[in-house]
Amino acid sequence: DGGITQSPKYLFRKEGQNVTLSCEQNLNHDAMYWYRQDPGQGLRLIYYSQIVNDFQKGDIAEGYSVSREKKESFPLTVTSAQKNPTAFYLCASSPMTTSANTGELFFGEGSRLTVL
Amino acid sequence: AQTVTQSQPEMSVQEAETVTLSCTYDTSESDYYLFWYKQPPSRQMILVIRQEAYKQQNATENRFSVNFQKAAKSFSLKISDSQLGDAAMYFCAYRRNTGNQFYFGTGTSLTVIP
Repeated sequence: DGGITQSPKYLFRKEGQNVTLSCEQNLNHDAMYWYRQDPGQGLRLIYYSQIVNDFQKGDIAEGYSVSREKKESFPLTVTSAQKNPTAFYLCASSPMTTSANTGELFFGEGSRLTVL
Repeated sequence: AQTVTQSQPEMSVQEAETVTLSCTYDTSESDYYLFWYKQPPSRQMILVIRQEAYKQQNATENRFSVNFQKAAKSFSLKISDSQLGDAAMYFCAYRRNTGNQFYFGTGTSLTVIP
């Protein structure tokens, strides 16, 4: 089945360590996204990518980095510069809007990062 | 920048009754897309319903329907015959016709009372 796979589902990190969250999609979507979700704050955009080897900062990019070397993959690195990294992270992808679809977001199951 | 506002942080409904969740948005564009997503306790985001701004007819998906008022920039979600499985966070989202950015509201937590 087509979909988005995020891993790991749960991750624990010590302060000062970088961690990388994986996101893979087999939907052949051009655009991919990373969102952070905190209680009471909805979804906040970290980074998004519209094509391979190109990505743009979202609203809260500081302390995060991404790469888009392949269409299917969009890993997110949470660096030690991120002051409050404990959160739930959601990866998503979307097709381009056409007359046949509205280009909605398809989400992975999320990754819960906890800093100890 | 576009903003999406959900003014009801929490709502509750009796099982089998109807509930309406509110969403308003701010945009200067005429062509765009609107969505309602459901996030149950599993935290998997699920698309509930979508609406193209150029369509005057309100979208409907089984027990879920929207009231799209373009001039008022309002996009409410009506859930009929509420079921226990409808309990979740509901997020309203906006997407421009061009570009790939989405804008989300802060969500409404829906409780279904047996």
